[in-house]
Amino acid sequence: AQSVTQLGSHVSVSEGALVLLRCNYSSSVPPYLFWYVQYPNQGLQLLLKYTSAATLVKGINGFEAEFKKSETSFHLTKPSAHMSDAAEYFCAVSEKGNQFYFGTGTSLTVIP
Amino acid sequence: DTGVSQDPRHKITKRGQNVTFRCDPISEHNRLYWYRQTLGQGPEFLTYFQNEAQLEKSRLLSDRFSAERPKGSFSTLEIQRTEQGDSAMYLCASSLDPGKGQYFGPGTRLTVT
Repeated sequence: AQSVTQLGSHVSVSEGALVLLRCNYSSSVPPYLFWYVQYPNQGLQLLLKYTSAATLVKGINGFEAEFKKSETSFHLTKPSAHMSDAAEYFCAVSEKGNQFYFGTGTSLTVIP
Repeated sequence: DTGVSQDPRHKITKRGQNVTFRCDPISEHNRLYWYRQTLGQGPEFLTYFQNEAQLEKSRLLSDRFSAERPKGSFSTLEIQRTEQGDSAMYLCASSLDPGKGQYFGPGTRLTVT
């Protein structure tokens, strides 16, 4: 069965500090993995995707994520947080592309 | 590429009434998904279409819910005999290739009074 766990429903970082949002998944086969961002009162926007071409994936707005099969993790990072990064972030997994499972989300607050 | 659109954006209905939502995917996308999102939760998968065929349906989905995608273009989601627990944001997403991710619409916020 597929599932996603996002550790930490709320994360606060100072502006300019490293952002680390955690995502662990369960899947019986190498999955499709994604991170989405949802800004207040806006729809979900694709941040980045993993599709087995490379373990380190770069996305928009300076975010990247690393796929670690041994740890079943797909953590999202950004070297230096910006105020505009404040949003809700969701990790998602799919084995076949027919059903997608989302985590419960991590709300990122950036402190000036 | 005009993006995924959903109509209406907001719907308030009384318990027991039927409601129908519409989703227009990105024109060349053959895959279409419906999700439900409640406050503080991630999107919950409801159903999936590939072209006009409904290939997946969540086991959690009540039989009061039905979805169609005639001709493989737009899709409708109907909820019959609405209950207060149906209050949520209903999201539609489309894609051409699952590996490239899904594109979400703005959602329809349903409030059942």
